[in-house]
Amino acid sequence: GAVVSQHPSRVICKSGTSVKIECRSLDFQATTMFWYRQFPKKSLMLMATSNEGSKATYEQGVEKDKFLINHASLTLSTLTVTSAHPEDSSFYICSAFRTSGDGTDTQYFGPGTRLTVL
Amino acid sequence: ILNVEQSPQSLHVQEGDSTNFTCSFPSSNFYALHWYRWETAKSPEALFVMTLNGDEKKKGRISATLNTKEGYSYLYIKGSQPEDSATYLCASAQSSTLGRLYFGRGTQLTVWP
Repeated sequence: GAVVSQHPSRVICKSGTSVKIECRSLDFQATTMFWYRQFPKKSLMLMATSNEGSKATYEQGVEKDKFLINHASLTLSTLTVTSAHPEDSSFYICSAFRTSGDGTDTQYFGPGTRLTVL
Repeated sequence: ILNVEQSPQSLHVQEGDSTNFTCSFPSSNFYALHWYRWETAKSPEALFVMTLNGDEKKKGRISATLNTKEGYSYLYIKGSQPEDSATYLCASAQSSTLGRLYFGRGTQLTVWP
């Protein structure tokens, strides 16, 4: 399988600060990457689709000014949680989308980032 | 939002037992069904991608089946080992939203030695 890294794995910050999370596709170029958030005992919820060279597409209810996404290259997407508050504390995980052309397109995931806002 | 359900939520088995879990999904506009294995502190690992009704896939002791008409998939583990302990996620993709996956909550498997 393909390798996707995510950094940092864990971050603790003060309320009001901004936090940037990086997602890198290490062995293939990803035009599309996805950002998910997981609440305790819930499924992975898609926050936004990150498209290289264009604006991200946000899911309903996700504030684009709060969660800034930049996909500046085919191997890197970043998620910045701006002016973080305790309610933003969560597990954030990214994936890189690899197309196959035969329907077996697959998302390869990073290991996730645990954000705690004090 | 697509409703993808997985059962059971958690499962505890003894080493050597065989086990199976279920993933149910809406059958309309079906495109693909994905299974992932997620160990603690690691990245979810893609196990299978299935697209055709009646598909069966196998990887070592793990296999999966797909029924797109009734909207379910089974994941089987034969002769469970402690290293199989993980959360198993399924996710459905629709033809109308290619690339987008709708995840279930997962089945957390614990295999006791």
